[in-house]
Amino acid sequence: GAVVSQHPSWVICKSGTSVKIECRSLDFQATTMFWYRQFPKQSLMLMATSNEGSKATYEQGVEKDKFLINHASLTLSTLTVTSAHPEDSSFYICSARVAGGPGETQYFGPGTRLLVL
Amino acid sequence: QKEVEQNSGPLSVPEGAIASLNCTYSDRGSQSFFWYRQYSGKSPELIMSIYSNGDKEDGRFTAQLNKASQYVSLLIRDSQPSDSATYLCAVRPGGGADGLTFGKGTHLIIQP
Repeated sequence: GAVVSQHPSWVICKSGTSVKIECRSLDFQATTMFWYRQFPKQSLMLMATSNEGSKATYEQGVEKDKFLINHASLTLSTLTVTSAHPEDSSFYICSARVAGGPGETQYFGPGTRLLVL
Repeated sequence: QKEVEQNSGPLSVPEGAIASLNCTYSDRGSQSFFWYRQYSGKSPELIMSIYSNGDKEDGRFTAQLNKASQYVSLLIRDSQPSDSATYLCAVRPGGGADGLTFGKGTHLIIQP
């Protein structure tokens, strides 16, 4: 149980284009999903917290107009990187927290590698 | 700024020995603590969570928490080459925050 998927796993795009990444909880409902970013040899950094049916909460320094988050259902959250630039190239990882489950464990998706040329 | 500190390593341990990984955190209000394992190029996978002071054992893994010292550790008994990975300590800060603050991770190498 507690499986989280992401799509796509890899994306290469040209500078200035927008990229959408999907995060799905496959066997549970997630009222809260999280988006993290990991640069090479760095740790995961929380970008935003996404609650189903409401606006995302962004961490300090993360541009909400650049990283659009939509959490329209209990099993799907999307992150859209708008007007991507090479400095946005990174490993984007979502996680989901089990709604009503014990504790506060977050389960991570497999991640999406974004390369902006 | 709320921080989580780990020794980056690499930490080299002979196969079959005990690997000891340590983590300190700055936010005294933190309530939830997690250890994740991350293989190169992959996303983190949960090993253990711990919420109360003391030890928590799960198979070959034991997590230890000391809130007074703001210290969390992970022991891996009978280390196997497949345990070679980066181990991330994660803390859920207090103050109602939901997301996790991660340390930079300790790179563990189990030598056959």
